[in-house]
Amino acid sequence: GAGVSQSPSNKVTEKGKDVELRCDPISGHTALYWYRQSLGQGLEFLIYFQGNSAPDKSGLPSDRFSAERTGGSVSTLTIQRTQQEDSAVYLCASSLGPGGSYEQYFGPGTRLTVT
Amino acid sequence: SQQGEEDPQALSIQEGENATMNCSYKTSINNLQWYRQNSGRGLVHLILIRSNEREKHSGRLRVTLDTSKKSSSLLITASRAADTASYFCASPQGGSEKLVFGKGTKLTVNP
Repeated sequence: GAGVSQSPSNKVTEKGKDVELRCDPISGHTALYWYRQSLGQGLEFLIYFQGNSAPDKSGLPSDRFSAERTGGSVSTLTIQRTQQEDSAVYLCASSLGPGGSYEQYFGPGTRLTVT
Repeated sequence: SQQGEEDPQALSIQEGENATMNCSYKTSINNLQWYRQNSGRGLVHLILIRSNEREKHSGRLRVTLDTSKKSSSLLITASRAADTASYFCASPQGGSEKLVFGKGTKLTVNP
């Protein structure tokens, strides 16, 4: 079956532009996560959606970052007025249930480069 | 904040040898998970061990959990060049449902 997909796979943008990153989770998975990974570093949690509950936005680094999940499925991470420090790989993951208790399935990531 | 801290940060071994990676965490957990990442892209789930389990096996992988020491270890036996990757532990932080990942151990298996 289909896994988690993300688009685009690579994105190069100029400083100050807005970008949208898309994640299609596995069908039926109620939990969806966004992470950020800088070169050679671990995963930095950004935001977590679980069912119809209010998302856990505690990891978003600034108000330039926002995310939504429409219809409990596809999610979009938006970064406004991009900065060079936003350059990283953005990973999306989904899981069958509440994230802490279930394994997460990751997409291939979007590599964002801000010039 | 990080929940898991892997040790060592990097490990280089010869094919056929065993590789052991350790993970320490800070708060109480109900489970701990290990993931593998190739080439800086998506992670692949390896194994989940619950707090009431002490050891779990999956193929050449063996994971142990010591809740009294707040630590876990991942053992890969008879390593292969294809095992070269970064390995991360992750666990729910405190009472929340979000997984918090460590910085990982970069394993290199030389043929």
